[in-house]
Amino acid sequence: GIQVEQSPPDLILQEGANSTLRCNFSDSVNNLQWFHQNPWGQLINLFYIPSGTKQNGRLSATTVATERYSLLYISSSQTTDSGVYFCAVVGNAGNMLTFGGGTRLMVKP
Amino acid sequence: NAGVTQTPKFQVLKTGQSMTLQCAQDMNHNSMYWYRQDPGMGLRLIYYSASEGTTDKGEVPNGYNVSRLNKREFSLRLESAAPSQTSVYFCASSEGLAGGLNEQFFGPGTRLTVL
Repeated sequence: GIQVEQSPPDLILQEGANSTLRCNFSDSVNNLQWFHQNPWGQLINLFYIPSGTKQNGRLSATTVATERYSLLYISSSQTTDSGVYFCAVVGNAGNMLTFGGGTRLMVKP
Repeated sequence: NAGVTQTPKFQVLKTGQSMTLQCAQDMNHNSMYWYRQDPGMGLRLIYYSASEGTTDKGEVPNGYNVSRLNKREFSLRLESAAPSQTSVYFCASSEGLAGGLNEQFFGPGTRLTVL
């Protein structure tokens, strides 16, 4: 099946700093989603982005489908951004959303 | 709209007991899913239902059964719980399976402990 790798696995930032999270996948996809899992365990949809670029406030994402990667940008980070960020994909030949291992982000005040 | 709701939020079982996790969505979605999340890991698909009346196995279906009761509701049953099934269970739904219809939305999760 399709493989999804996220980097870095852990990230510690000072409040106000910017960061880039990366998601690499091993095959063509027809769905790519970014999620934030907050410290209470809730999964929050950030972006549905199988290709192209989207922005939502301080967050933006870019997927380059031909090169099989996606990037999530967080600008001016806040303590409420802490948690785990997951990338998940559905391959062109499949129906299953396959998750990466996540990036654990801690933003310090 | 409540989105995707799950009951219960927490459950403790003894080995061998059975239970059913309930999930409902009010977004008129056709497809529904059950995932499990083990500590420090991403989610893995247990079962899914592409549309009312159909169910299919995901990556880790052993030890589970599902029922798509109607378009809104999709339940997950553990017939004889084992400690290896201690996990957080998430239900999700999407408009469909293909292309732009398959953005998935998740419920709040059920934290299950099997002693």
